[in-house]
Amino acid sequence: KAGVTQTPRYLIKTRGQQVTLSCSPISGHRSVSWYQQTPGQGLQFLFEYFSETQRNKGNFPGRFSGRQFSNSRSEMNVSTLELGDSALYLCASSFSGAATNEKLFFGSGTQLSVL
Amino acid sequence: DQQVKQNSPSLSVQEGRISILNCDYTNSMFDYFLWYKKYPAEGPTFLISISSIKDKNEDGRFTVFLNKSAKHLSLHIVPSQPGDSAVYFCAATGGGSNYKLTFGKGTLLTVNP
Repeated sequence: KAGVTQTPRYLIKTRGQQVTLSCSPISGHRSVSWYQQTPGQGLQFLFEYFSETQRNKGNFPGRFSGRQFSNSRSEMNVSTLELGDSALYLCASSFSGAATNEKLFFGSGTQLSVL
Repeated sequence: DQQVKQNSPSLSVQEGRISILNCDYTNSMFDYFLWYKKYPAEGPTFLISISSIKDKNEDGRFTVFLNKSAKHLSLHIVPSQPGDSAVYFCAATGGGSNYKLTFGKGTLLTVNP
């Protein structure tokens, strides 16, 4: 069974540009979450989608948005990039995301550098 | 407001000895706790978890202890192996926030041969 796939693996952008990151969850998983990892900050929750609906959102500005398609694949978009957006963006999937004891399966992430 | 805290950024132990990684939380609504391990250039992988109805959970060399009154949990690795060298993240969920995990900042464990 293929794992969570994130593309691209690395991305370099300049300030003011926008970027779109893609995530394909494990087959059969319908919940997709996005996390931002920066040095010294751990993983911070961005948002979670299930059946094309955003169910929960973290404390990030509106420049960060996402969506989920009918095949559960998800995209994350960041507009008007700032230097502080440089981070590893991780996508995670789970079956439903609703059960307390569900494990999240993470992709390898997209390393975004904003110059 | 950091609800999950890992106060030790790094820990170094000798191969064969015990590694103890600590985690504190502030949100009383958390009722499920997880540990993830992360190698460089890879995503975090699930290691072990514990429900708030338990105070201990074992899986091979890994044991997680939960002290609800102190809002503290710890991960014990015995014996430690060089392959255990990684960043370990403590995470928590519950209280209606089942759709997301709240992570600590991580502890870099180095196991020296």
